[in-house]
Amino acid sequence: EAGVAQSPRYKIIEKRQSVAFWCNPISGHATLYWYQQILGQGPKLLIQFQNNGVVDDSQLPKDRFSAERLKGVDSTLKIQPAKLEDSAVYLCASSLSLSLNEAFFGQGTRLTVV
Amino acid sequence: GDSVTQMEGPVTLSEEAFLTINCTYTATGYPSLFWYVQYPGEGLQLLLKATKADDKGSNKGFEATYRKETTSFHLEKGSVQVSDSAVYFCALKIDGGNKLVFGAGTILRVKS
Repeated sequence: EAGVAQSPRYKIIEKRQSVAFWCNPISGHATLYWYQQILGQGPKLLIQFQNNGVVDDSQLPKDRFSAERLKGVDSTLKIQPAKLEDSAVYLCASSLSLSLNEAFFGQGTRLTVV
Repeated sequence: GDSVTQMEGPVTLSEEAFLTINCTYTATGYPSLFWYVQYPGEGLQLLLKATKADDKGSNKGFEATYRKETTSFHLEKGSVQVSDSAVYFCALKIDGGNKLVFGAGTILRVKS
C-alpha cells in the first residue's frame, strides 16, 4: 500500500514570497490533515478536511495560509506571503475517517524562509 | 486547553539499557493516548495507543500504560537497540474530537 506522498521535500524561499505544498493521501482515506512542526516542538494541526470539506481550521493563520482539497483526494497548502517564523516542517496525514482510526503521516516538506 | 508534556531530551543510552520517557497530559474530556515515533528521514509512525484508563499499549517491545490517576502515559522498553534511535512523540485525542495534540518530542540516542 502506498503511503502519504508529499512534495517537495525541501523548499527555501525569501520572506514575502509565496510557496505551495502538495499532498496525496492514501487511497480511500476520507480525512486529510495538515500539521506544522516547528523545530523543537511537536506537530500542530493547521487544518483538517473530511472529503473536500473543512472540518477544523481554527489554528490556520488565514491571513496568509490557505488550503484546498477540491476533489476530495489530493490537497495543496499555500503560504502567501511567507514570514521567517513560517520556517518549519509541514506534515500531511490521512486517515480512513474522522473517528479514532490511525493517522498515517507523510515525510513532510521542510520549509526554510530566509 | 488540552496539552501534553514530555520529558526533555536528548536521552542517551547504551544498547540493552532500560528506557523510560515520561509523558503527562491535561485534558478536559476522556482522551485516547498515543506514542508516535519518527525515525531519521522518515514520517511519523504510530508506535502504540491506549483508549481508556488502565489500558496498556504495546508494540516492538515498547509499552505504555494509561494512568488516569496520575494523568500519565510513560513509554518504557526493557532493552533498547541502536535501531530505536529516533524522536518519540506523546499525543492525545479527545473522544469525539478531530485532532491529535502532540508533546514536544523526546530525542532518543542509543549507543553501541
